[in-house]
Amino acid sequence: SQKIEQNSEALNIQEGKTATLTCNYTNYSPAYLQWYRQDPGRGPVFLLLIRENEKEKRKERLKVTFDTTLKQSLFHITASQPADSATYLCASTDSWGKLQFGAGTQVVVTP
Amino acid sequence: DGGITQSPKYLFRKEGQNVTLSCEQNLNHDAMYWYRQDPGQGLRLIYYSQIVNDFQKGDIAEGYSVSREKKESFPLTVTSAQKNPTAFYLCASSITGQGWEQPQHFGDGTRLSIL
Repeated sequence: SQKIEQNSEALNIQEGKTATLTCNYTNYSPAYLQWYRQDPGRGPVFLLLIRENEKEKRKERLKVTFDTTLKQSLFHITASQPADSATYLCASTDSWGKLQFGAGTQVVVTP
Repeated sequence: DGGITQSPKYLFRKEGQNVTLSCEQNLNHDAMYWYRQDPGQGLRLIYYSQIVNDFQKGDIAEGYSVSREKKESFPLTVTSAQKNPTAFYLCASSITGQGWEQPQHFGDGTRLSIL
């Protein structure tokens, strides 16, 4: 079956360092991936979209890569700040064209 | 400010009771969606609507019903047939229903619990 998976273990990182999150997909080849941020008790907020023909996408301190060979997307937060603490979700379309979400990875940035 | 409003923020359901979750958007978006979020799981699609007066079942539609009589509104009813309704429910919208690559805008959710 088609799956999109994220590391369920929380990522604890010191302020100023780079946080790197992984999103793996299996049994299908999405044309693009989206990344969202979700704060506790709130809805997800869209951050970035990367297409399969794009190797890298940047937005301010955020960078996303898409490796179709490894079937993986990496999400980087550079110069992390305590305000970056949240859960980050990746999402992609499945074979039926619907958006499938990963369970998310929690990031905790400590001063 | 444009956005999606979900209400109520917290809702409690008694046995055998139907409850309705409200979702209103003023973004002039054509497409609207309902998701369910459980701890440790990704968002799961319940129903979606790409245009007024039309909607489709998602992956977990059993025990739920929706209507789309107005562009701005997409209420979700959790019926008594849904035996495990406790979850965080999220409503979302996108500009059009043509192409799921379009970013989705989410409301702040309704947390439903069983009494």
